[in-house]
Amino acid sequence: RKEVEQDPGPFNVPEGATVAFNCTYSNSASQSFFWYRQDCRKEPKLLMSVYSSGNEDGRFTAQLNRASQYISLLIRDSKLSDSATYLCVVPFSGYSTLTFGKGTMLLVSP
Amino acid sequence: EPEVTQTPSHQVTQMGQEVILRCVPISNHLYFYWYRQILGQKVEFLVSFYNNEISEKSEIFDDQFSVERPDGSNFTLKIRSTKLEDSAMYFCASRGVVTDTQYFGPGTRLTVL
Repeated sequence: RKEVEQDPGPFNVPEGATVAFNCTYSNSASQSFFWYRQDCRKEPKLLMSVYSSGNEDGRFTAQLNRASQYISLLIRDSKLSDSATYLCVVPFSGYSTLTFGKGTMLLVSP
Repeated sequence: EPEVTQTPSHQVTQMGQEVILRCVPISNHLYFYWYRQILGQKVEFLVSFYNNEISEKSEIFDDQFSVERPDGSNFTLKIRSTKLEDSAMYFCASRGVVTDTQYFGPGTRLTVL
């Protein structure tokens, strides 16, 4: 069974805060992992790809623990514009069919 | 920057009618996908398409659904006889050969009355 589980949220944080989201996946054979961001009623947009133990891009850091089948996303110095739903996404097949988690909503307040 | 486009942005139809949702993937991409998202729920995979044939489909993609690449640029999703529960956002995505990153179009919101 293809499962991707995320923190239910929502997370309400003030500007400047550090926030972390967690995700677990069921397929131990998955080799690549993604964090997408989705604004209300918009399409998912790629935030970060994770292929090895982790990836960092500015204020965003993703970490992968293959043994525990766990991925995390850390956002430092939160901005108002970071308010969105963050989707943990895992390909489960050779054609990279994506399985999405339900998403974790982040609300950053002034 | 190249992007996936979809038309229409919003489609309203009566139950039992046929609808065709259109997508123009990024031009040098070879893998194409349809996903749907019912309001308030997660994004769900429908079908993947490669080399002019379906490569994988989910249990949602039953006989009422079909996909086609009628020319070199368009990729369509047809729902033959719409049901109320087909109301959702439908996203098209495409990816190239070098990476497995999928790029999503802005979606078509389908409302079945």
